Amino acid sequence: NAGVTQTPKFQVLKTGQSMTLQCAQDMNHNSMYWYRQDPGMGLRLIYYSASEGTTDKGEVPNGYNVSRLNKREFSLRLESAAPSQTSVYFCASSPRRGLPGDTQYFGPGTRLTVL
Amino acid sequence: AQSVTQPDIHITVSEGASLELRCNYSYGATPYLFWYVQSPGQGLQLLLKYFSGDTLVQGIKGFEAEFKRSQSSFNLRKPSVHWSDAAEYFCAVGRTGTASKLTFGTGTRLQVTL
Repeated sequence: NAGVTQTPKFQVLKTGQSMTLQCAQDMNHNSMYWYRQDPGMGLRLIYYSASEGTTDKGEVPNGYNVSRLNKREFSLRLESAAPSQTSVYFCASSPRRGLPGDTQYFGPGTRLTVL
Repeated sequence: AQSVTQPDIHITVSEGASLELRCNYSYGATPYLFWYVQSPGQGLQLLLKYFSGDTLVQGIKGFEAEFKRSQSSFNLRKPSVHWSDAAEYFCAVGRTGTASKLTFGTGTRLQVTL
């Protein structure tokens, strides 16, 4: 039981390049989330998916797109990377369809640098 | 909109000493409150959570937190800190009536001296 897995662990991009961050969970959870973590700012929600087939914007969605490919997988895409997107990205999942008291389970993170 | 304040950016304690990490929230109704811990290079792990009932909540690794509505606080405590507790600690609030969206505080980094 791997929990939440993220690939890649590290990535360096040049400004304007695109890439997709992959996330998968094997806990049969309904809801999935993408956060970014920046020094001194805690974690901020980028996008979330309350259930398979639905996605919604979080606090900082600009410059990102997401795809809930199936119940297990939730990818985050940067179409044209900018230095401001240098951050550590975390994927998380929770068991039920978007209930506020649910525990979120986090992946190990992807450290992205945009030059 | 809800918000979470963790006033202490960095705290250093000696191993065996007691610990209290502060968290204040701003939210109109009864909030869902969480404490997560992040070890270096790792993702976040839930320590404990509160949304109703007994205002003193027990968590993993010997941590506890107390919800005080009058003070809008949810402080995390541990009676005796171990060197392995060195990590970053995040307080978070979730809203009722919406999807499981959490608002995180900026975190408190705990250093433990031997």
